[in-house]
Amino acid sequence: QKEVEQNSGPLSVPEGAIASLNCTYSDRGSQSFFWYRQYSGKSPELIMFIYSNGDKEDGRFTAQLNKASQYVSLLIRDSQPSDSATYLCAVLYSSASKIIFGSGTRLSIRP
Amino acid sequence: GAVVSQHPSWVICKSGTSVKIECRSLDFQATTMFWYRQFPKQSLMLMATSNEGSKATYEQGVEKDKFLINHASLTLSTLTVTSAHPEDSSFYICSAKTGVKTEAFFGQGTRLTVV
Repeated sequence: QKEVEQNSGPLSVPEGAIASLNCTYSDRGSQSFFWYRQYSGKSPELIMFIYSNGDKEDGRFTAQLNKASQYVSLLIRDSQPSDSATYLCAVLYSSASKIIFGSGTRLSIRP
Repeated sequence: GAVVSQHPSWVICKSGTSVKIECRSLDFQATTMFWYRQFPKQSLMLMATSNEGSKATYEQGVEKDKFLINHASLTLSTLTVTSAHPEDSSFYICSAKTGVKTEAFFGQGTRLTVV
């Protein structure tokens, strides 16, 4: 079992719709979770982080965390073509203080 | 967000030579720095974790004698790829964080090509 799992996609969403990205993780003791966006050939940039169960909203982005199910998701409302990128889920493994990334989900917003 | 500067952004070297990549946190003290490698169309693979003043912790399968990591200060970590070979060609990215639960910020990445 991979430590952090994501559907590789591509996920195609029409412009203006909601894009939903999902991630599961294996370390039950993990406390911190992150979503990064990476454009081709560029370094990842942090979109959101979440520590507590429930929802966290920031502009068009909402992160959702369910520790019991070991599941974290990212919703993007009013999707724009500029949102087309690879989205990486990352988990801070508290036992070893290291951040592990999922394989990423490629998102494509079609006009 | 915090700024992490990585240098150089790209480098081409001959097989058998060594290359040093620098990672600096510009406006915060990085207690922990991570080094990742990313091959085309793949995700970031953690190579090692370094804490200031301590030896780096390498992930399984990463040769510590080949990838030398130094984290001598709270603002600087270096990765030296020794005796580079073409299969070491990749995108190397550092990230830095401070504290236990805080997010990590990434450098711009270094694209290494070994010819």
